[in-house]
Amino acid sequence: AQSVTQPDIHITVSEGASLELRCNYSYGATPYLFWYVQSPGQGLQLLLKYFSGDTLVQGIKGFEAEFKRSQSSFNLRKPSVHWSDAAEYFCAVGAGDAGKSTFGDGTTLTVKP
Amino acid sequence: NAGVTQTPKFRVLKTGQSMTLLCAQDMNHEYMYWYRQDPGMGLRLIHYSVGEGTTAKGEVPDGYNVSRLKKQNFLLGLESAAPSQTSVYFCASSYLGQANYGYTFGSGTRLTVV
Repeated sequence: AQSVTQPDIHITVSEGASLELRCNYSYGATPYLFWYVQSPGQGLQLLLKYFSGDTLVQGIKGFEAEFKRSQSSFNLRKPSVHWSDAAEYFCAVGAGDAGKSTFGDGTTLTVKP
Repeated sequence: NAGVTQTPKFRVLKTGQSMTLLCAQDMNHEYMYWYRQDPGMGLRLIHYSVGEGTTAKGEVPDGYNVSRLKKQNFLLGLESAAPSQTSVYFCASSYLGQANYGYTFGSGTRLTVV
């Protein structure tokens, strides 16, 4: 069975600082991997996805993520955080089986002025 | 350019009452999903559908039923609501060609069962 672990429940960074959110997955084959962002009271929005090719993927809003097969990780990064990035971030692993995705428990990002 | 629309956005039910949550998508996606979101537990899959007229159980299907009579609509029903079903419900849809391209989510329905 597939699973996702986001080790950090809550992260606080200063505006302008760099950000890295961690994600570890368990999946038997080459996974489809995703990062979503959820602003308060809103649905989830897809930030970026990986399923093959270059292991460094670029997404919207200046985010990127790197797939490391040896570490079963797919960490999300941003070089300079803006106050509007404060939100909850979810990592997900998707299967080819009806496209079902399993989500991590999420990481809440707080941005200090 | 609506994407995925969920109705209603908020609802309060009494224990034992029934209701239906509606999800509509205008992207011609084959795959649709219902998830529930509870604090600290991420999103858990309730039911899903791989096409019109088909449905299947997800991780937490008990107490819920679904129907997909039209490709664009996916209904989630609670026949006899319980306080444990207090949650935020999200519908999502997806296009799967030769890969899993990820989900488009609705904005959610916040349900409270008292």
